[in-house]
Amino acid sequence: DADVTQTPRNRITKTGKRIMLECSQTKGHDRMYWYRQDPGLGLRLIYYSFDVKDINKGEISDGYSVSRQAQAKFSLSLESAIPNQTALYFCATGGGLLGVDTQYFGPGTRLTVL
Amino acid sequence: GQNIDQPTEMTATEGAIVQINCTYQTSGFNGLFWYQQHAGEAPTFLSYNVLDGLEEKGRFSSFLSRSKGYSYLLLKELQMKDSASYLCAVRDGNYQLIWGAGTKLIIKP
Repeated sequence: DADVTQTPRNRITKTGKRIMLECSQTKGHDRMYWYRQDPGLGLRLIYYSFDVKDINKGEISDGYSVSRQAQAKFSLSLESAIPNQTALYFCATGGGLLGVDTQYFGPGTRLTVL
Repeated sequence: GQNIDQPTEMTATEGAIVQINCTYQTSGFNGLFWYQQHAGEAPTFLSYNVLDGLEEKGRFSSFLSRSKGYSYLLLKELQMKDSASYLCAVRDGNYQLIWGAGTKLIIKP
């Protein structure tokens, strides 16, 4: 079984709709991250959480919100989707010492906003 | 601002050696990572450097020079399955991970 799972894997929605992307992990890591990836651009951090009670904005948090329901679950919401939020979204986890932790990525959610 | 530069695309021949460069300008430095990402898939960890020098791991090696803000990933004995994008990422002084746009490596028979 995959250590980091994301649902849904693909989603097509319309402008103005509310969308939730979910992430679950069985790695026991405290740190969780949401990224988006666009062609020709690097991964960009949307939000991150170092534990259940800790939520932090990343580089591009506008238009997004998150919820850390448990150590293993971190969901990303688009309150009112817009076409430029069309992208590949990745959830990742990190464990161990902060400076040296590698990140483990879920399989990604391909979101299309029409 | 913070910046990571990598070539957009490289082409190499099966069985050969290729070096993918990464230069960075960040506010502080707490390590450099290389990840591999096959098309449509998640990035997977390849290597980590925090001290100057070469780290070897099988067919892959990664080099770091902190004074030059420079790293490279060396892939030997290239195989067709090495066709992928290679992402360079630097952890800055605030422990934020800054990602390069990635280098798409095309392997030809």
